Amino acid sequence: DAGVTQSPTHLIKTRGQHVTLRCSPISGHKSVSWYQQVLGQGPQFIFQYYEKEERGRGNFPDRFSARQFPNYSSELNVNALLLGDSALYLCASSMTASGANVLTFGAGSRLTVL
Amino acid sequence: DAKTTQPPSMDCAEGRAANLPCNHSTISGNEYVYWYRQIHSQGPQYIIHGLKNNETNEMASLIITEDRKSSTLILPHATLRDTAVYYCIVSPNTGTASKLTFGTGTRLQVTL
Repeated sequence: DAGVTQSPTHLIKTRGQHVTLRCSPISGHKSVSWYQQVLGQGPQFIFQYYEKEERGRGNFPDRFSARQFPNYSSELNVNALLLGDSALYLCASSMTASGANVLTFGAGSRLTVL
Repeated sequence: DAKTTQPPSMDCAEGRAANLPCNHSTISGNEYVYWYRQIHSQGPQYIIHGLKNNETNEMASLIITEDRKSSTLILPHATLRDTAVYYCIVSPNTGTASKLTFGTGTRLQVTL
């Protein structure tokens, strides 16, 4: 079975541009979460979606947005990129029958903003 | 969410047990203790979680003190592949909502 898949794996953008990151959860998982991990720090929670509804939002500016599609895949969008947005963006899915906090993470999308 | 305190780094010899401590003195009654690890250049990996009873699975054992203010993750026979950053997290298990607060974790180095 495929795990959580994320695309692209690496990308480089310049300040002011926007980026869209994509995530496909494990089959049968209806919850998707997004985390940002800056070098040297632990992952920071951005969003969580369950059944296409936003269930949680972290302390991130409105430049960050996300959505979940009927097939439970998800996109994370970041507008007006800043240098500080350079990070590893992690997507995780969960089967809530096991508890929503038992997450399976993807390998991440590494974003570099120049 | 309650906060956790972990030592920044630990060493362990291969084949020996690795005991990783975590303090969570402000944990609430409905909060579980979760452990994740992150091997370099990979996403975090779920290890184990528990509420108040000790738990064991194929990866590790989780020992939670009776007052629930601290816990220990035990890797019974550490291997080089267990070298990673280990995160202890406390969070309520609210069914469909999820928001894990990762700290800086413990960097475990397993050596020959």
